[in-house]
Amino acid sequence: KAGVTQTPRYLIKTRGQQVTLSCSPISGHRSVSWYQQTPGQGLQFLFEYFSETQRNKGNFPGRFSGRQFSNSRSEMNVSTLELGDSALYLCASSVSGLRNSPLHFGNGTRLTVT
Amino acid sequence: AQTVTQSQPEMSVQEAETVTLSCTYDTSENNYYLFWYKQPPSRQMILVIRQEAYKQQNATENRFSVNFQKAAKSFSLKISDSQLGDTAMYFCAFMKHEERGDMRFGAGTRLTVKP
Repeated sequence: KAGVTQTPRYLIKTRGQQVTLSCSPISGHRSVSWYQQTPGQGLQFLFEYFSETQRNKGNFPGRFSGRQFSNSRSEMNVSTLELGDSALYLCASSVSGLRNSPLHFGNGTRLTVT
Repeated sequence: AQTVTQSQPEMSVQEAETVTLSCTYDTSENNYYLFWYKQPPSRQMILVIRQEAYKQQNATENRFSVNFQKAAKSFSLKISDSQLGDTAMYFCAFMKHEERGDMRFGAGTRLTVKP
């Protein structure tokens, strides 16, 4: 079974631009979560989607948004990029998103904002 | 709010020896799950082991085992017979009983296995 696939692997953007990251979950997984990983803040939860609905959201500004499609694939969008948005963005999928369904992570998208 | 603390930023161990990584957490919840993930240079977070708080028996997965002390809110990871491939960042994580996707991670411990 294929793992969680994130594209692209690397991305370089300029301040003020917007960016869209993509995540394809493991087949059969309906929950997709997004995390931001930085050296200073560590791993921080962005949001979780299940059956095309956002069920949970972390403490990030509205510039960070996401969506999930009917095939469970998910996209994350960051508008008006800031230097501080430079990070590794990790997507994780699980069967249900609940505690008895572990998260399976992708390799991440490394975003650099200049 | 739940917080997870890993007090050892870096550790090293000789190949074939045993090492223990520490993790403490703070929560007022009674039902929750604890996890250890490893992140090698490939960047992918890989689940190592998980523990359900209501189970008193410590979880074991091959060379990996945990020492779960619920009253002390401690969840350490023991790696036996360390292998070079165990070199990675190790993250301790906490998830509330009915939380959806929101896993709280510690800052991580960088483990180096030396030949």
